Amino acid sequence: QVQLQESGPGLVKPSETLSLTCAVSGYSISSGYYWSWVRQPPGKGLQWIGTINHSRDIYSTPSLKSRVTVSVDTSKNQFSLKLSSVTAADTAVYFCARYTSSGFYFDSWGQGTLVTVSS
Amino acid sequence: QSALTQPPSASGSPGQSVTISCTGTSSDVGGYNFVSWYQQHPGKVLKLMIYEVTKRPSGVPDRFSGSKSGNTAYLTVSGLQAEDEADYYCSSYTAIDYVFGTGTKVTV
Repeated sequence: QVQLQESGPGLVKPSETLSLTCAVSGYSISSGYYWSWVRQPPGKGLQWIGTINHSRDIYSTPSLKSRVTVSVDTSKNQFSLKLSSVTAADTAVYFCARYTSSGFYFDSWGQGTLVTVSS
Repeated sequence: QSALTQPPSASGSPGQSVTISCTGTSSDVGGYNFVSWYQQHPGKVLKLMIYEVTKRPSGVPDRFSGSKSGNTAYLTVSGLQAEDEADYYCSSYTAIDYVFGTGTKVTV
């Protein structure tokens, strides 16, 4: 059974870059599927951020596209998110998830990690 | 892309049924049969409940069912149980984005 675990700083200063990593166990990233980031601001709904596949094709939501970088490290079986020029509006719980491209849904999720943007 | 519209709350007594709506447009819900539903208990991992409008992943009770009519999708929970009390989010594929619903808190 696949498991995902997010890690990274819980506090980031405004204008800096948010960096998170998702460690995957129970499944090899290089075997297939797509790998995604989703966030949830406090008390609000979910927002898709971006997705990468084993071929390193990247897809991201248009509103964040200019600030988002998603990468994959198959040797460590993990994938990462970088979000640049953050503001308080980027404060959220960030989830990593496995994405099934044939049916366009997320079938496994990480626990989530809270990132606060504040000086 | 705007979020899909869900009612903020829904409730039912144990054993009853509750139906949650998820309204989008012809560019998302109405345009594709790629609507999925997720359950979120506080502090717990999000769980896929329905995918491709009507399909249930292995392990999800058959009390959960999905449907769609036009630009609105529905999640029905029959025979409500205490453990069904949670937040539920719909989502839909679009050609250029992936959108979630505003979320519905189900109270049992």
